[in-house]
Amino acid sequence: AQKITQTQPGMFVQEKEAVTLDCTYDTSDQSYGLFWYKQPSSGEMIFLIYQGSYDEQNATEGRYSLNFQKARKSANLVISASQLGDSAMYFCAMREDGGDDGLTFGKGTHLIIQP
Amino acid sequence: EAGVTQSPTHLIKTRGQQATLRCSPISGHTSVYWYQQALGLGLQFLLWYDEGEERNRGNFPPRFSGRQFPNYSSELNVNALELEDSALYLCASGSSGRAGGETQYFGPGTRLLVL
Repeated sequence: AQKITQTQPGMFVQEKEAVTLDCTYDTSDQSYGLFWYKQPSSGEMIFLIYQGSYDEQNATEGRYSLNFQKARKSANLVISASQLGDSAMYFCAMREDGGDDGLTFGKGTHLIIQP
Repeated sequence: EAGVTQSPTHLIKTRGQQATLRCSPISGHTSVYWYQQALGLGLQFLLWYDEGEERNRGNFPPRFSGRQFPNYSSELNVNALELEDSALYLCASGSSGRAGGETQYFGPGTRLLVL
């Protein structure tokens, strides 16, 4: 069974600093996908970035990058030059190619950017 | 391009009643997923529909059911509502294909309150 662990319930970061949100996962499958989503207080889940288990390069999308360490089963999200609008809940999720469930989510990290 | 839409945005019901939630996927997407986000329980996979068929369901009782229509929109029905059904219900759509490679895009959610 797949499992996602996010060990940081909450983080305070100064505006313009870089921030790393931790995510470790557990799976016995060799082929899977890892995802990060942002959930503002409005509730909508916004897709940020995707990393495939066979991707050799770390994924990047604008200010977001994923630090993927397969052997350690970690997929940390890095946000560069944080902005006030980055304040939100952040969820790490995964899905196995061999599974027939939806996404498995971690419990999330509440990120607050301070001016 | 229009994103995933959900209706209603808010729904208030009393215990024992039935609730119907609706979701329209992104144009071209054939898969629809339903998730429940209850306070303290995190995001949990509820149901997966693809090409009009139910592909899988999460660990929820049978009073949670749904269907997918020929235009790929979907409906989630919750019968015999209980107080603990109060939650944010999120719908996501995907373009099907390899499970671990499919990005799911979420709608704004329906907030269900059971009194």
